[in-house]
Amino acid sequence: DTGVSQDPRHKITKRGQNVTFRCDPISEHNRLYWYRQTLGQGPEFLTYFQNEAQLEKSRLLSDRFSAERPKGSFSTLEIQRTEQGDSAMYLCASSLTGGRDEQYFGPGTRLTVT
Amino acid sequence: DQQVKQNSPSLSVQEGRISILNCDYTNSMFDYFLWYKKYPAEGPTFLISISSIKDKNEDGRFTVFLNKSAKHLSLHIVPSQPGDSAVYFCAASPDSNYQLIWGAGTKLIIKP
Repeated sequence: DTGVSQDPRHKITKRGQNVTFRCDPISEHNRLYWYRQTLGQGPEFLTYFQNEAQLEKSRLLSDRFSAERPKGSFSTLEIQRTEQGDSAMYLCASSLTGGRDEQYFGPGTRLTVT
Repeated sequence: DQQVKQNSPSLSVQEGRISILNCDYTNSMFDYFLWYKKYPAEGPTFLISISSIKDKNEDGRFTVFLNKSAKHLSLHIVPSQPGDSAVYFCAASPDSNYQLIWGAGTKLIIKP
């Protein structure tokens, strides 16, 4: 078990471009979460999936953001028409359903929008 | 509105002494609390949790205390070790394994 992985680790893009991030959760985990973290703040919840179903979306997730988990395994987070305010660390986490299982985090993707 | 607050951005403690990190919350619906540790360039790592039906949970050098009436929890690390130097986040949830609400973190520095 290699843990949660995220790709890429760093992304620099120009304002207005689209970007896509990938997250591979721990294989037996049913739940997958996306968070955004800005400097000096804790992670902010964006959305989560149980298997392939997206069950909750934060109001932080504007129409420019879309997340998918097509086969209930890996997930992608796409940001369209990036803005400078999108610059942040995007964290993915996974967990087992049921009980009080903690979330296991990946290393994050740092996005810089210039 | 910050529902989970960690009012100390940083804390410096001598190696071997006790480290106490504090966290306050405002939402009385929170019933599950977690502490995570984060090293630079890594994602947060789960440390310890506590349910609102308890007031203390201990795991090795780490103990979390919950005071529901004061809406306050604290993490005690005894004895503190150099490897404990990291940013510590408090998180709370109104439901298990779901949307976590996070504090801003406290940077703990253990001095040799």
